[in-house]
Amino acid sequence: AQSVAQPEDQVNVAEGNPLTVKCTYSVSGNPYLFWYVQYPNRGLQFLLKYITGDNLVKGSYGFEAEFNKSQTSFHLKKPSALVSDSALYFCAAGGTSYGKLTFGQGTILTVHP
Amino acid sequence: DSGVTQTPKHLITATGQRVTLRCSPRSGDLSVYWYQQSLDQGLQFLIQYYNGEERAKGNILERFSAQQFPDLHSELNLSSLELGDSALYFCASSVEGGADEQYFGPGTRLTVT
Repeated sequence: AQSVAQPEDQVNVAEGNPLTVKCTYSVSGNPYLFWYVQYPNRGLQFLLKYITGDNLVKGSYGFEAEFNKSQTSFHLKKPSALVSDSALYFCAAGGTSYGKLTFGQGTILTVHP
Repeated sequence: DSGVTQTPKHLITATGQRVTLRCSPRSGDLSVYWYQQSLDQGLQFLIQYYNGEERAKGNILERFSAQQFPDLHSELNLSSLELGDSALYFCASSVEGGADEQYFGPGTRLTVT
């Protein structure tokens, strides 16, 4: 069975500092990995995905993620955080041809001015 | 705006009742997914339809059922409702499935009293 872990319930960073939101996965075969962001009272918004190829994936709003097969990780990063990045972030994994996603528990990112 | 619409936004009903949630996917998307988001269970995949056919099933209770119609809109039917069914129900759509990113609707908040 697939599983996704986000080991930090909360991440706090100062505006302008780099941020990292961690994710590890367990998927048999080659995984499809995604990051989504959820703002209060809104649906999830797609940020980026990894399917194959370059281990560093660039996405929306300056976010990027690094795929590490040996550590089964897919950490979300941004070089310089903005207050407006404060939200709930979800990592998700898929591993079949159908599209079913398994989500992590989510990490609340708070960027302080 | 993701292009995925869900109605109604809010639903308050009593235990034992039946409700129907509706979803219209983005134009051109053939796959529709239903997810349940609750504080204790997180974001859980329920079911996927592709071009009218059920494609994948997740943690969907027998009291719940779904279908996708020829115009590709989908409905999620929840019956014999229990207090524990109170949650946010999201619909998402994608072009096909597999590694396609999913676009989420704003959700329907169901409260069972």
